[in-house]
Amino acid sequence: AQKITQTQPGMFVQEKEAVTLDCTYDTSDQSYGLFWYKQPSSGEMIFLIYQGSYDEQNATEGRYSLNFQKARKSANLVISASQLGDSAMYFCAMGEESNYQLIWGAGTKLIIKP
Amino acid sequence: EAGVAQSPRYKIIEKRQSVAFWCNPISGHATLYWYQQILGQGPKLLIQFQNNGVVDDSQLPKDRFSAERLKGVDSTLKIQPAKLEDSAVYLCASSSWGRSGRAGNEQFFGPGTRLTVL
Repeated sequence: AQKITQTQPGMFVQEKEAVTLDCTYDTSDQSYGLFWYKQPSSGEMIFLIYQGSYDEQNATEGRYSLNFQKARKSANLVISASQLGDSAMYFCAMGEESNYQLIWGAGTKLIIKP
Repeated sequence: EAGVAQSPRYKIIEKRQSVAFWCNPISGHATLYWYQQILGQGPKLLIQFQNNGVVDDSQLPKDRFSAERLKGVDSTLKIQPAKLEDSAVYLCASSSWGRSGRAGNEQFFGPGTRLTVL
């Protein structure tokens, strides 16, 4: 069965430091996609970054990068030079080619300290 | 490009009352999703539409929840009668169908409706 695990319920990080949010997944499909979303206190889900299972390069989007280790089934989000506005819930999700649904992790609450 | 619209943003009702939420997806997006998100948890899919047909409603509590998507565009989610445990944020998302070259589809979310049942 498909599953997403985020083992860090909460994290405190000093402003300007880099932070890594963990995500592991389980699937029997060969073709799948991994997504990271940010949810500020306002409640809206904001798409951050996508990694396809066949992508050879790790995805990057500005200050966000995805450390994709396929053999270990992990897709960690790295935020470089954290900012106060990065404080939010972060969700890892997985989509499979066979359907158009996302399987969601429980999320990590990130708090950036000034 | 306009995003996903939802209304109302907030709703407070008493248990056993009914409530309805509205969603307008991004223009041209064939797939529409309704999620329930309990505080501190990830989103839980309630129902998925493809155009105006239901793809998956296996987690929709059909004794009290109903949803429709008329003409394959706007959608309405209704709860009747509401229970205390229905207090949550209800998120609507949409995605385009069959985006080539990508496994899994990026979903675009609306601002959500925060429901409080007293």
